[in-house]
Amino acid sequence: GAVVSQHPSWVICKSGTSVKIECRSLDFQATTMFWYRQFPKQSLMLMATSNEGSKATYEQGVEKDKFLINHASLTLSTLTVTSAHPEDSSFYICSSRSRGPAFYGYTFGSGTRLTVV
Amino acid sequence: QQQVKQSPQSLIVQKGGISIINCAYENTAFDYFPWYQQFPGKGPALLIAIRPDVSEKKEGRFTISFNKSAKQFSLHIMDSQPGDSATYFCAASMYSGNTPLVFGKGTRLSVIA
Repeated sequence: GAVVSQHPSWVICKSGTSVKIECRSLDFQATTMFWYRQFPKQSLMLMATSNEGSKATYEQGVEKDKFLINHASLTLSTLTVTSAHPEDSSFYICSSRSRGPAFYGYTFGSGTRLTVV
Repeated sequence: QQQVKQSPQSLIVQKGGISIINCAYENTAFDYFPWYQQFPGKGPALLIAIRPDVSEKKEGRFTISFNKSAKQFSLHIMDSQPGDSATYFCAASMYSGNTPLVFGKGTRLSVIA
């Protein structure tokens, strides 16, 4: 089946610094990557959609200058949280859609727990 | 506007019992309805999914029932086990597009012995 590898699984950073989260599709081409944020005991909220080779589309209320998304290749998409603050502490999850003769669906990364201190 | 409404918010079931979680959607363009299971600190994992051409789909202990006219679908977990204790999310999307999943708010299931 399709696999999306997400790293790091957890990160602690100081307020004001930047953090990069990577998602790699291991056995399929991820033309589109969806980035979600999940606060404790809440559902997944879509932050942005990125397409390989083009600018990401951000959901209303998501600051594009704070959450930089790069999708330069068919197998790698990154989310950089710039000038992180404690309120950015959350669980970030990437997802891509995989299609093939034997499978279909959305594949999720294992998530990144970001804690800003 | 909440496009996928999920209930209950939490559920406690005895071991061996049936867990039932319900979802309702608003967008008639949705035609792909998956259920995900999530453990703390982990990403969601696909349990089972259904499309509107069938009213029911069963995989092991998990069954989806789908009612197109009512725009509702539900997850039944038969013979619930303590290991099933997790948060369950229903979701919906358009099968043929490249659009993201829209998630329900989740149900925290606790299966007690």
